[in-house]
Amino acid sequence: GAVVSQHPSRVICKSGTSVKIECRSLDFQATTMFWYRQFPKKSLMLMATSNEGSKATYEQGVEKDKFLINHASLTLSTLTVTSAHPEDSSFYICSAHGLAGAGEETQYFGPGTRLLVL
Amino acid sequence: AQTVTQSQPEMSVQEAETVTLSCTYDTSESDYYLFWYKQPPSRQMILVIRQEAYKQQNATENRFSVNFQKAAKSFSLKISDSQLGDAAMYFCALQGGSEKLVFGKGTKLTVNP
Repeated sequence: GAVVSQHPSRVICKSGTSVKIECRSLDFQATTMFWYRQFPKKSLMLMATSNEGSKATYEQGVEKDKFLINHASLTLSTLTVTSAHPEDSSFYICSAHGLAGAGEETQYFGPGTRLLVL
Repeated sequence: AQTVTQSQPEMSVQEAETVTLSCTYDTSESDYYLFWYKQPPSRQMILVIRQEAYKQQNATENRFSVNFQKAAKSFSLKISDSQLGDAAMYFCALQGGSEKLVFGKGTKLTVNP
């Protein structure tokens, strides 16, 4: 079964509004979570690394004031797209680094969130 | 800087045949991990296979195996007895000490019946 969940799976919003996406690790604790953005038919682009209890580390070129990340607990990280514009429309994927069940310690990916900004 | 290169944007294979997807990488770290991920149309990233760099033995997972050539910095994926459900985007990825994954651009695999 799924070990990382994302909510919502898809969202449509008006330009200028803010959208929050949740990423939860199920049944395991993740001190580190990652947020990716994926354009159609492209690879995953790392946006930021989210560490529990500390500020997120953003990749070069990613606006930290636009993409707010909060890692409030060992099982939850949130990405808020502030003042969304049509160019922010994309597929956002999170991953959680940890040990799930009898598996290996690795990154487990969420199912993704499709954001459409009108 | 770490880089991952997948030189085949698209590949196709006949059902039940074997196909090999190529991946080369570059890193200055001595301890790292390599991965192949599958992304079907649902866009859920699925781990196919993982290889620790310090292990000389090539990883295998059922019909999936890798050819890890450390000196050449090559990490190819072989899919045997291809099935229609194998059709997807395949991404090669490298993880160094920071836990961050660096992905290649991907190879779209089509399986023909």
